[in-house]
This record gives sequence, structure tokens and C-alpha cells, in this order.
Amino acid sequence: AQSVTQLGSHVSVSEGALVLLRCNYSSSVPPYLFWYVQYPNQGLQLLLKYTSAATLVKGINGFEAEFKKSETSFHLTKPSAHMSDAAEYFCAVSDRASGGSNYKLTFGKGTLLTVNP
Amino acid sequence: DAGVTQSPTHLIKTRGQQVTLRCSPKSGHDTVSWYQQALGQGPQFIFQYYEEEERQRGNFPDRFSGHQFPNYSSELNVNALLLGDSALYLCASSLRAYSNQPQHFGDGTRLSIL
Repeated sequence: AQSVTQLGSHVSVSEGALVLLRCNYSSSVPPYLFWYVQYPNQGLQLLLKYTSAATLVKGINGFEAEFKKSETSFHLTKPSAHMSDAAEYFCAVSDRASGGSNYKLTFGKGTLLTVNP
Repeated sequence: DAGVTQSPTHLIKTRGQQVTLRCSPKSGHDTVSWYQQALGQGPQFIFQYYEEEERQRGNFPDRFSGHQFPNYSSELNVNALLLGDSALYLCASSLRAYSNQPQHFGDGTRLSIL
């Protein structure tokens, strides 16, 4: 069974500081990995995805993530936080053996990012 | 290009009642998945519909059922509502033929059980 662990339910950074949100996954087969962002009272918006191309993935709004198979990690980073980045972030994995990203996503519990002025 | 749309946005029910939530997929998508997001938690997969059939199911009781129509829209039905069913219900759509493309989510239906 797949699982996702997001370390830190709440991360607080200053505006302009580095953002690092951690995600570790468990999967018996090479996974597809995703980061989604959720603003209050909204659904999930895709930030970026890893589907076995380059291990360093660039997404929207200046975010990027690196797939490290040896560490089973897919941490999300942004060099300089902006006030508009304050939101909840979810890491998710899907099972490539079951057909890929069209199939069920298993999510972590989320990390709430607070950006202080 | 319309994205995933869900209705209603909010709903209040009492224990024991039944509810139906609706979802229209993004234009061009043929697969619909439903997720339950309890307060403070990540979304949990309920089930997925493709070609009007349930293709995958998560760990949810039979009280949760669904339907997909020929135009690819979908409904989620929950019977005998419990207090624990209070959550944000998210619909996601995708195109079956492209296995490496992400699912697109709607803004959800907030269901409150009194």
C-alpha cells in the first residue's frame, strides 16, 4: 500500500525566506508524485508533478521539487517566500502500476504554510 | 474552458438523511474521482468512475455510492448520514488515455451534518 508522510503540520517563514516543505513516500513501484496547494475555501490546485522525467521538477509560482529515490523523498522548495504563498500544501502519490496519475491519489495530511511580514 | 464544477457549494443535513452531490468534469475529460477531506486532514479517495462504471474504490462503506452519466458528469450519493460524514467532498477529473497527466479538482461541496 502506498503512503505519504509530510513532516511538519505547520511551517512558518518570513517573507523572502526559503520555503522547504518535506514529503516522504512509500510505494512498492516507481510512483507518480504531486504537490497540490489549497487556499481557504477552495479546491486543490496542482503546483507540480513528477512522472519519471527529470528528477528536479519546476512548477508554478516559483516552486520546485526534487525526486530522490534513495531517500524516498519529494520535498517542495521555493527560494523566496511571498505573502501570497500562505496556504495548505499537500503531497500526493499515485500507483504507476495501476495505470498512473489517472488513478487514485494517496495524500499526506498537509502542511500549513504561514508567511510572516 | 470550464474547469471542474461542483454543486452545491454548501449543504446542511441531519443524521440519517441522504444526500446527492454533483460534479461536471473539465471539458475533454472522461474520468471522475471523488475524495473526502475531513477538517485538518488530506483528501481520501472514495471511488472513481470511467465509462459509467465504478473502476476503483477506497475504504468507504456501501453507504457511499455514485453514478456517471453519458456526458461524463457524476453524482456522489451518501445514505444514512452520520456526524462523521461532515467534510469537504472534492471531485477530480482526468483523461483516461493520458496516464501521466494530473487530476484537476473542483472547489468542493462542504457537507455539514447536524
